[in-house]
Amino acid sequence: RKEVEQDPGPFNVPEGATVAFNCTYSNSASQSFFWYRQDCRKEPKLLMSVYSSGNEDGRFTAQLNRASQYISLLIRDSKLSDSATYLCVAPNSGGYQKVTFGTGTKLQVIP
Amino acid sequence: IAGITQAPTSQILAAGRRMTLRCTQDMRHNAMYWYRQDLGLGLRLIHYSNTAGTTGKGEVPDGYSVSRANTDDFPLTLASAVPSQTSVYFCASSEKGLRTDTQYFGPGTRLTVL
Repeated sequence: RKEVEQDPGPFNVPEGATVAFNCTYSNSASQSFFWYRQDCRKEPKLLMSVYSSGNEDGRFTAQLNRASQYISLLIRDSKLSDSATYLCVAPNSGGYQKVTFGTGTKLQVIP
Repeated sequence: IAGITQAPTSQILAAGRRMTLRCTQDMRHNAMYWYRQDLGLGLRLIHYSNTAGTTGKGEVPDGYSVSRANTDDFPLTLASAVPSQTSVYFCASSEKGLRTDTQYFGPGTRLTVL
């Protein structure tokens, strides 16, 4: 099983819609997670961190389900500017004690 | 504050040539990282450094070497480039090198090996 798995999409949604992505992780001991946003041909940037039960920041909500080992990202009232690839990040199980980035889920918000 | 800078922005390189990608941060972060990003494979960790003077191997270290002589700089060297090293390379830094740290990325270097 991959350390982090994401549906690559693309998710094509109209402006104003609500969209949700899931990300599954394999390291059951993981305590902290992240969502990063990456625009086309740009560097990833932190969107939000996810600890314990979840996190909310404006239109964005991230939740953690430890029993099923997945985290989710919910975007409400989608804007054109939300179009990007969203990367899920989880602690890896490798010996070097770092994190693994998912391959990303692409979101396209349509006018 | 520039954050993290990388050079060059892009490069086309003949196979067999030696190449050093430069990375500098001005945030005084202890930890720095090199990733490569390939379509369908996402970001993969090549090497990391938790503090000046130390380095470690990530997921895909073969064919690459790094050094960390000071806090600010973390160059990545390809001793003898091969076409499979064609990729986008991102340098990143974080405050302490912990899994809970936010990582800050540079703008990337697009490398093509022919």
